[in-house]
Amino acid sequence: GAGVSQTPSNKVTEKGKYVELRCDPISGHTALYWYRQSLGQGPEFLIYFQGTGAADDSGLPNDRFFAVRPEGSVSTLKIQRTERGDSAVYLCASSQGQGNTEAFFGQGTRLTVV
Amino acid sequence: GESVGLHLPTLSVQEGDNSIINCAYSNSASDYFIWYKQESGKGPQFIIDIRSNMDKRQGQRVTVLLNKTVKHLSLQIAATQPGDSAVYFCAEKVRERGATNKLIFGTGTLLAVQP
Repeated sequence: GAGVSQTPSNKVTEKGKYVELRCDPISGHTALYWYRQSLGQGPEFLIYFQGTGAADDSGLPNDRFFAVRPEGSVSTLKIQRTERGDSAVYLCASSQGQGNTEAFFGQGTRLTVV
Repeated sequence: GESVGLHLPTLSVQEGDNSIINCAYSNSASDYFIWYKQESGKGPQFIIDIRSNMDKRQGQRVTVLLNKTVKHLSLQIAATQPGDSAVYFCAEKVRERGATNKLIFGTGTLLAVQP
């Protein structure tokens, strides 16, 4: 596609429920990143994939958060037993590969836990 | 932990003036820096980047300056336009645990352009 696509754009869920957020990176980009952004803050790193593997998952806040990228393209961020504090905009970005190359961001998924 | 931060949370300028947004970083091992622009309801948009072996890089109406001695980064926007109104983030690529490409963002500066 022309850019990074994230679905859904908005998600409202009840506390305790499970959610999945999807990211379609730019075609051919091997690196994929997930970030979380709270209101008035900069994006906070969650996890980075190089190909199918998670090269750095040091930003995942706890074991309720998990992400996969089984075929090295689309990625899914999974949140179990959601809490109100998980409410934020979840951003996905992709770049061509390792090294110093620019990362392109999607529009984000706004997750609201009620 | 180490982080990237911004000096001014809000910057108000008149249309046509030049804008300067500043950023301080603390990780001396970082070797790549990016400025992003984020409009309300949108994801961050790449503006310009600079590698640590450079002091200055110019784009269209934008210039990024890097001062490694004092760990300072700035974004200069010439002839600021209303469409430049947005939150601007500097981001630092941290080299840790091998070849990770993790970007660390600051908290952002809101640029408000007055007509």
